[in-house]
Amino acid sequence: EVQLVESGGGLVQPGGSLRLSCAASGFTISSYWMIWVRQAPGKGLEWVANINQDGSEKYYVDSVKGRFTISRDNAKNSLFLQMNSLRAEDTAVYYCAETTVAWGQGTLVTVSS
Amino acid sequence: DIVMTQTPLSSPVTLGQPASISCRSSQSLVHSDGNTYLSWLQQRPGQPPRLLIYKISNRFSGVPDRFSGSGAGTDFTLKISRVEAEDVGVYYCMQATQLGTFGQGTKLEIK
Repeated sequence: EVQLVESGGGLVQPGGSLRLSCAASGFTISSYWMIWVRQAPGKGLEWVANINQDGSEKYYVDSVKGRFTISRDNAKNSLFLQMNSLRAEDTAVYYCAETTVAWGQGTLVTVSS
Repeated sequence: DIVMTQTPLSSPVTLGQPASISCRSSQSLVHSDGNTYLSWLQQRPGQPPRLLIYKISNRFSGVPDRFSGSGAGTDFTLKISRVEAEDVGVYYCMQATQLGTFGQGTKLEIK
């Protein structure tokens, strides 16, 4: 079964950091671009970042540039999102996905004092 | 940046009747590799997004055949041939041809 499972979310204070992980099973991520998407409470979906197959190309939405870093470990079939200098507006459920193969169930990140 | 515009934003439908959602992109979604990375996702209340259609018209595994996608270039459509109660939710189009962008979402509800 094709599956993506996110982890690493939680409650963090403004200015803090979190590292999200996304473990894939049932397919090999090394063949695909991978993305992170987020959904703030009561809002629509927002693309956050994507990364190419070997990690040499990375792109980010303007609001997270310089604060978030997407990375991957193809040997571990995993995707990551390092989030630094977190703000209240980063509060959201974060999903990893490959847009033609699988979407994860999400992990909640809450930024609050 | 590519802007995705969905219409309508709300769609009250009678059970058993068809429904249609349109999605227009601000520029062509044809990728240099020849593919068009336009997907449709369904999000039921309280649930994560679920992939329905990818690359315009390919139904994802397990998706009922009452769902179909069509279009080309900048204009795309999701059709539900006969709406069932379990189809209630918000539907999003998404382009992954150039970075990523979502439509605003269309709320499907039963009349």
